Amino acid sequence: KAGVTQTPRYLIKTRGQQVTLSCSPISGHRSVSWYQQTPGQGLQFLFEYFSETQRNKGNFPGRFSGRQFSNSRSEMNVSTLELGDSALYLCASSLDVQGPGNTIYFGEGSWLTVV
Amino acid sequence: GNSVTQMEGPVTLSEEAFLTINCTYTATGYPSLFWYVQYPGEGLQLLLKATKADDKGSNKGFEATYRKETTSFHLEKGSVQVSDSAVYFCALTPLSGSARQLTFGSGTQLTVLP
Repeated sequence: KAGVTQTPRYLIKTRGQQVTLSCSPISGHRSVSWYQQTPGQGLQFLFEYFSETQRNKGNFPGRFSGRQFSNSRSEMNVSTLELGDSALYLCASSLDVQGPGNTIYFGEGSWLTVV
Repeated sequence: GNSVTQMEGPVTLSEEAFLTINCTYTATGYPSLFWYVQYPGEGLQLLLKATKADDKGSNKGFEATYRKETTSFHLEKGSVQVSDSAVYFCALTPLSGSARQLTFGSGTQLTVLP
């Protein structure tokens, strides 16, 4: 069974540009969430999607957005990039299970460098 | 709100030494608890989990027991190997609300020397 797949793995962007990252969840998983990992802030939750709807959102500015397609694949977008957006962006997927036992699986991540 | 506190690293051990990485949490009710591992240049891999008090999660020689009375989920391994060198993250998902949102600790860097 294929894991969570993220593309691209590495990218370099210039300040002010925008970037789109893509994520394909594990087959059968309908919940997709995104996390940002930086040395200073650690792992922070960005948002979570289910059935093409955003269900939860972390404390990030509106420049960070996402969407989910009918096949559960997801994209996140960051507009007007800032140097501080340089990070590893991790996508995760899970079954839509409330309560105990819900396990979240991560992809390899997309390394974004803003110069 | 929910929070996870991990012992600060980095931790450096010799091969075959005993490992303990402390993790305590703050959450309402009975969250599910996880340990994830991140190898250099890679994403997060689930190492083990426990979903209720006194549960013991185990995998690849690692163990952690869900202690409700001390709100802890310490990671242990009896004999570490060089290949265990990685960053280890303790995390939780709440019982209620979003069970799909992880709250992470700050991570503990482990280096095992041959």
